[in-house]
Amino acid sequence: DVKVTQSSRYLVKRTGEKVFLECVQDMDHENMFWYRQDPGLGLRLIYFSYDVKMKEKGDIPEGYSVSREKKERFSLILESASTNQTSMYLCASSLFGQRMSSYNSPLHFGNGTRLTVT
Amino acid sequence: SQQGEEDPQALSIQEGENATMNCSYKTSINNLQWYRQNSGRGLVHLILIRSNEREKHSGRLRVTLDTSKKSSSLLITASRAADTASYFCATDNAGGTSYGKLTFGQGTILTVHP
Repeated sequence: DVKVTQSSRYLVKRTGEKVFLECVQDMDHENMFWYRQDPGLGLRLIYFSYDVKMKEKGDIPEGYSVSREKKERFSLILESASTNQTSMYLCASSLFGQRMSSYNSPLHFGNGTRLTVT
Repeated sequence: SQQGEEDPQALSIQEGENATMNCSYKTSINNLQWYRQNSGRGLVHLILIRSNEREKHSGRLRVTLDTSKKSSSLLITASRAADTASYFCATDNAGGTSYGKLTFGQGTILTVHP
Protein backbone atom coordinates (compact mmCIF):
# COMPACT_ATOMS: atom_id res chain seq x y z
CA ASP A 1 0.00 0.00 0.00
CA VAL A 2 1.06 3.52 -0.72
CA LYS A 3 2.05 5.41 2.34
CA VAL A 4 2.01 9.18 2.52
CA THR A 5 3.42 10.44 5.78
CA GLN A 6 3.02 13.95 7.12
CA SER A 7 5.54 14.85 9.76
CA SER A 8 3.15 16.32 12.34
CA ARG A 9 -0.50 15.65 13.20
CA TYR A 10 -0.86 18.84 15.23
CA LEU A 11 1.18 22.03 15.12
CA VAL A 12 0.81 25.32 16.99
CA LYS A 13 2.76 28.32 15.74
CA ARG A 14 2.84 32.03 16.43
CA THR A 15 1.96 34.76 13.94
CA GLY A 16 4.98 35.70 11.85
CA GLU A 17 6.83 32.42 12.31
CA LYS A 18 8.19 30.51 9.34
CA VAL A 19 6.50 27.12 9.25
CA PHE A 20 7.57 23.96 7.42
CA LEU A 21 5.13 21.12 6.74
CA GLU A 22 6.81 17.97 5.50
CA CYS A 23 5.36 15.16 3.42
CA VAL A 24 7.01 11.94 2.31
CA GLN A 25 5.65 9.21 0.04
CA ASP A 26 7.15 5.78 -0.41
CA MET A 27 5.83 4.66 -3.81
CA ASP A 28 7.94 6.63 -6.28
CA HIS A 29 4.99 8.81 -7.33
CA GLU A 30 5.68 11.64 -9.75
CA ASN A 31 2.88 13.95 -8.62
CA MET A 32 2.57 15.48 -5.18
CA PHE A 33 -0.01 17.97 -3.93
CA TRP A 34 -0.75 20.23 -0.98
CA TYR A 35 -4.38 21.00 -0.14
CA ARG A 36 -5.91 22.85 2.76
CA GLN A 37 -9.30 21.89 4.16
CA ASP A 38 -11.61 24.31 5.90
CA PRO A 39 -15.21 23.84 7.07
CA GLY A 40 -17.67 24.89 4.40
CA LEU A 41 -14.95 25.32 1.79
CA GLY A 42 -13.90 21.73 1.15
CA LEU A 43 -10.38 21.07 -0.10
CA ARG A 44 -8.51 23.75 -1.98
CA LEU A 45 -5.29 23.18 -3.88
CA ILE A 46 -2.33 25.26 -2.75
CA TYR A 47 0.56 23.94 -4.85
CA PHE A 48 1.48 20.81 -6.71
CA SER A 49 4.58 19.27 -8.23
CA TYR A 50 4.87 16.82 -11.12
CA ASP A 51 8.61 16.22 -10.89
CA VAL A 52 11.66 16.97 -8.78
CA LYS A 53 12.30 20.72 -8.58
CA MET A 54 9.09 21.42 -10.54
CA LYS A 55 6.19 23.25 -8.95
CA GLU A 56 2.93 24.77 -10.08
CA LYS A 57 0.56 27.12 -8.27
CA GLY A 58 -2.83 25.83 -7.35
CA ASP A 59 -5.92 27.87 -6.57
CA ILE A 60 -4.71 29.56 -3.38
CA PRO A 61 -0.89 29.87 -3.43
CA GLU A 62 -0.65 33.27 -1.73
CA GLY A 63 1.37 33.16 1.47
CA TYR A 64 2.81 29.73 0.69
CA SER A 65 5.80 28.29 -1.11
CA VAL A 66 6.94 24.72 -1.73
CA SER A 67 10.10 22.73 -2.18
CA ARG A 68 10.70 19.42 -3.91
CA GLU A 69 14.37 18.56 -3.85
CA LYS A 70 13.81 14.80 -3.83
CA LYS A 71 11.09 12.79 -5.54
CA GLU A 72 9.69 11.37 -2.32
CA ARG A 73 9.51 14.61 -0.34
CA PHE A 74 7.32 17.66 -0.83
CA SER A 75 7.49 20.51 1.67
CA LEU A 76 4.99 23.31 2.21
CA ILE A 77 6.40 26.53 3.62
CA LEU A 78 4.47 29.33 5.27
CA GLU A 79 6.89 32.23 4.99
CA SER A 80 5.23 34.29 7.71
CA ALA A 81 2.35 32.48 9.35
CA SER A 82 -0.91 34.35 9.83
CA THR A 83 -4.05 33.45 11.74
CA ASN A 84 -6.00 32.94 8.50
CA GLN A 85 -3.66 30.06 7.70
CA THR A 86 -5.06 28.08 10.62
CA SER A 87 -6.37 24.99 8.85
CA MET A 88 -6.03 21.28 8.16
CA TYR A 89 -3.28 20.68 5.60
CA LEU A 90 -3.41 17.54 3.48
CA CYS A 91 -0.61 16.17 1.34
CA ALA A 92 -1.31 13.74 -1.48
CA SER A 93 0.57 11.90 -4.20
CA SER A 94 -0.33 10.10 -7.41
CA LEU A 95 1.43 7.92 -9.90
CA PHE A 96 1.21 9.42 -13.35
CA GLY A 97 3.03 12.56 -14.37
CA GLN A 98 1.69 12.46 -17.90
CA ARG A 99 -0.82 14.69 -19.58
CA MET A 100 -3.15 11.78 -20.40
CA SER A 101 -5.17 12.70 -17.37
CA SER A 102 -8.06 10.37 -18.09
CA TYR A 103 -5.73 7.58 -17.04
CA ASN A 104 -4.41 9.27 -13.96
CA SER A 105 -4.28 7.22 -10.85
CA PRO A 106 -6.18 8.39 -7.78
CA LEU A 107 -4.67 10.57 -5.10
CA HIS A 108 -3.24 8.96 -1.98
CA PHE A 109 -3.53 11.21 1.04
CA GLY A 110 -1.62 11.55 4.28
CA ASN A 111 -3.51 11.89 7.56
CA GLY A 112 -3.17 15.64 7.60
CA THR A 113 -1.54 18.27 9.78
CA ARG A 114 -3.84 20.46 11.83
CA LEU A 115 -2.06 23.80 12.08
CA THR A 116 -3.11 26.48 14.52
CA VAL A 117 -1.57 29.94 14.22
CA THR A 118 -2.04 32.13 17.29
CA SER B 1 -14.57 28.85 -7.90
CA GLN B 2 -16.16 25.69 -6.54
CA GLN B 3 -16.25 22.94 -9.15
CA GLY B 4 -17.91 20.03 -7.45
CA GLU B 5 -20.84 20.63 -5.16
CA GLU B 6 -22.34 17.79 -3.18
CA ASP B 7 -25.93 17.42 -2.18
CA PRO B 8 -27.11 16.93 0.47
CA GLN B 9 -24.61 18.54 2.84
CA ALA B 10 -25.59 16.04 5.52
CA LEU B 11 -27.44 12.72 5.44
CA SER B 12 -28.61 10.64 8.38
CA ILE B 13 -29.92 7.09 7.85
CA GLN B 14 -30.39 3.78 9.64
CA GLU B 15 -28.13 0.80 9.16
CA GLY B 16 -29.28 -1.31 6.22
CA GLU B 17 -30.73 1.61 4.28
CA ASN B 18 -29.24 2.93 1.05
CA ALA B 19 -27.45 6.28 0.94
CA THR B 20 -27.39 8.45 -2.16
CA MET B 21 -25.16 11.48 -2.57
CA ASN B 22 -25.10 13.77 -5.56
CA CYS B 23 -22.41 15.91 -7.08
CA SER B 24 -22.67 18.67 -9.67
CA TYR B 25 -19.82 20.30 -11.49
CA LYS B 26 -19.39 23.17 -13.91
CA THR B 27 -16.69 22.48 -16.48
CA SER B 28 -15.85 19.57 -18.77
CA ILE B 29 -14.01 16.77 -17.08
CA ASN B 30 -11.66 13.89 -17.86
CA ASN B 31 -12.82 11.86 -14.92
CA LEU B 32 -14.70 12.17 -11.65
CA GLN B 33 -13.64 10.50 -8.43
CA TRP B 34 -15.26 9.86 -5.06
CA TYR B 35 -13.34 9.92 -1.80
CA ARG B 36 -14.19 9.14 1.79
CA GLN B 37 -12.82 10.85 4.90
CA ASN B 38 -13.18 9.55 8.41
CA SER B 39 -13.15 12.20 11.11
CA GLY B 40 -9.72 13.81 11.52
CA ARG B 41 -8.06 11.64 8.90
CA GLY B 42 -6.94 11.92 5.31
CA LEU B 43 -9.09 11.08 2.31
CA VAL B 44 -9.32 7.59 0.87
CA HIS B 45 -10.10 6.96 -2.79
CA LEU B 46 -13.29 4.98 -3.43
CA ILE B 47 -13.96 4.93 -7.14
CA LEU B 48 -13.07 6.69 -10.41
CA ILE B 49 -15.38 7.07 -13.39
CA ARG B 50 -14.12 8.38 -16.71
CA SER B 51 -16.03 10.89 -18.81
CA ASN B 52 -16.96 8.24 -21.39
CA GLU B 53 -18.43 5.93 -18.76
CA ARG B 54 -21.98 6.14 -17.43
CA GLU B 55 -21.99 3.74 -14.50
CA LYS B 56 -19.48 1.90 -12.37
CA HIS B 57 -19.74 -0.54 -9.48
CA SER B 58 -17.38 -1.48 -6.70
CA GLY B 59 -18.71 -3.74 -3.95
CA ARG B 60 -21.61 -1.87 -2.30
CA LEU B 61 -20.81 1.32 -4.23
CA ARG B 62 -22.50 2.39 -7.43
CA VAL B 63 -21.50 5.57 -9.23
CA THR B 64 -23.29 7.16 -12.15
CA LEU B 65 -22.13 9.98 -14.36
CA ASP B 66 -24.26 12.19 -16.60
CA THR B 67 -21.97 14.50 -18.53
CA SER B 68 -24.88 16.25 -20.25
CA LYS B 69 -26.17 17.36 -16.85
CA LYS B 70 -22.68 17.66 -15.37
CA SER B 71 -23.67 15.53 -12.42
CA SER B 72 -22.74 12.31 -10.65
CA SER B 73 -24.25 10.24 -7.88
CA LEU B 74 -22.78 7.84 -5.37
CA LEU B 75 -25.03 5.12 -4.01
CA ILE B 76 -23.99 3.07 -0.98
CA THR B 77 -26.24 0.05 -0.59
CA ALA B 78 -27.02 -1.74 2.68
CA SER B 79 -25.19 0.88 4.72
CA ARG B 80 -23.31 0.04 7.90
CA ALA B 81 -22.37 2.13 10.91
CA ALA B 82 -18.77 1.94 9.68
CA ASP B 83 -19.80 3.89 6.56
CA THR B 84 -20.21 6.99 8.74
CA ALA B 85 -17.82 9.52 7.19
CA SER B 86 -17.62 12.52 4.87
CA TYR B 87 -17.80 11.81 1.16
CA PHE B 88 -16.27 14.06 -1.48
CA CYS B 89 -16.51 14.15 -5.22
CA ALA B 90 -13.51 15.45 -7.13
CA THR B 91 -13.07 16.30 -10.79
CA ASP B 92 -10.07 16.08 -13.05
CA ASN B 93 -10.90 18.99 -15.31
CA ALA B 94 -10.45 18.82 -19.06
CA GLY B 95 -8.44 21.31 -21.04
CA GLY B 96 -4.91 22.46 -20.41
CA THR B 97 -2.37 20.47 -18.46
CA SER B 98 -3.92 18.48 -15.66
CA TYR B 99 -1.11 16.44 -14.07
CA GLY B 100 -3.83 14.69 -12.16
CA LYS B 101 -4.77 17.58 -9.90
CA LEU B 102 -8.31 17.40 -8.66
CA THR B 103 -10.93 19.96 -7.72
CA PHE B 104 -12.97 18.88 -4.70
CA GLY B 105 -16.47 19.66 -3.59
CA GLN B 106 -17.46 20.55 -0.05
CA GLY B 107 -18.55 17.03 0.85
CA THR B 108 -21.55 15.21 2.26
CA ILE B 109 -21.49 14.14 5.89
CA LEU B 110 -23.07 10.69 6.16
CA THR B 111 -24.18 9.34 9.53
CA VAL B 112 -25.38 5.75 9.72
CA HIS B 113 -27.16 4.88 12.95
CA PRO B 114 -26.86 1.30 14.25
